[in-house]
Amino acid sequence: DAKTTQPTSMDCAEGRAANLPCNHSTISGNEYVYWYRQIHSQGPQYIIHGLKNNETNEMASLIITEDRKSSTLILPHATLRDTAVYYCIALNSGSARQLTFGSGTQLTVLP
Amino acid sequence: DTGVSQNPRHKITKRGQNVTFRCDPISEHNRLYWYRQTLGQGPEFLTYFQNEAQLEKSRLLSDRFSAERPKGSFSTLEIQRTEQGDSAMYLCASSLKQDYGYTFGSGTRLTVV
Repeated sequence: DAKTTQPTSMDCAEGRAANLPCNHSTISGNEYVYWYRQIHSQGPQYIIHGLKNNETNEMASLIITEDRKSSTLILPHATLRDTAVYYCIALNSGSARQLTFGSGTQLTVLP
Repeated sequence: DTGVSQNPRHKITKRGQNVTFRCDPISEHNRLYWYRQTLGQGPEFLTYFQNEAQLEKSRLLSDRFSAERPKGSFSTLEIQRTEQGDSAMYLCASSLKQDYGYTFGSGTRLTVV
């Protein structure tokens, strides 16, 4: 699975959009981009995933560049409860599907 | 069925003792995963089951570690002769199909003293 690179930390004001970037320049054509987050002392929580097209669900939007070398997770109206470590993972859609977590981005939503 | 359940939530044990953790996945999920997470690090993959078959094991899973999933339902992770380096959060996750997100449990925090 392709390596991903994320900023170590980011701050966002409550009520504003949080835009979390991820670089995955070596991603292959059959690798999806997954986003998970982990709130302190809890297990990771699935947020969203995509292959080529932009995706949106009740939690977030995922914007993938046309060349698929980077993506952005958007939390449209961040709340204090969105403070967490956010992980971007590239995952082959084939067999042996183990997630490889990096260090992630610590997002702190400020009041 | 509200999610993946892990028991116990916390376990303190003396070095050299054996411990066993249990994971109850979401009932219709046929895939089950174990991960380990140490402080300040992302979770690391340990092993993966599809139904009752253990299909993959990480090199992190030394011979002191064993995992089972009898009848493809709940799973247990046993650590024999625990060491201080085994202190970590042990996370279980389950999923239904390829390309679906995993659902993680809240984890079992192991402290070896």
